Amino acid sequence: AQRVTQPEKLLSVFKGAPVELKCNYSYSGSPELFWYVQYSRQRLQLLLRHISRESIKGFTADLNKGETSFHLKKPFAQEEDSAMYYCALMNTGNQFYFGTGTSLTVIP
Amino acid sequence: DAGITQSPRYKITETGRQVTLMCHQTWSHSYMFWYRQDLGHGLRLIYYSAAADITDKGEVPDGYVVSRSKTENFPLTLESATRSQTSVYFCASSFQGAGTEAFFGQGTRLTVV
Repeated sequence: AQRVTQPEKLLSVFKGAPVELKCNYSYSGSPELFWYVQYSRQRLQLLLRHISRESIKGFTADLNKGETSFHLKKPFAQEEDSAMYYCALMNTGNQFYFGTGTSLTVIP
Repeated sequence: DAGITQSPRYKITETGRQVTLMCHQTWSHSYMFWYRQDLGHGLRLIYYSAAADITDKGEVPDGYVVSRSKTENFPLTLESATRSQTSVYFCASSFQGAGTEAFFGQGTRLTVV
């Protein structure tokens, strides 16, 4: 079985402050991890994935297999970052499982 | 239009009625998924399909039925709608294997009264 945990339902930061959205997972196999973002009343879209090790819109995420974590970070939050963020895991069966989401609000 | 589309966007139905949500993708992705999005629960997998005529249960399948006679379509049917099925439903698709990602439809907001 697999599980994705996002401990923070709501997170508020000031513009220009660093932001970190936490994600922990449990899975016995070798998962692929993702962060998806959903802006107000829009569809979910991929923000980044661990295998590409890229930075998108200033966000980065590092897979820590020892701590089974995949936290999302950005050094300087912007107002346009306000959205719902979901951490997701793809198992070896190609199924995607999502966490409960974190609603990020960036205060001007 | 290319992509993944859901219909209808909004639906109000009465308790006990059957309702079908449609999902269509133009990428020939082998995998398709149905999720429901609820406050406090995030996205929960209802059903998924690995290919035409192959479907399987996800985390919360009770009260739902799916079919996949064609690769591009993956309808979700609520056989007898209940108020607890009021939710936003998202369809997604992906190709198989490492490096893939799930592409989402725009969602269907279903209200059961």
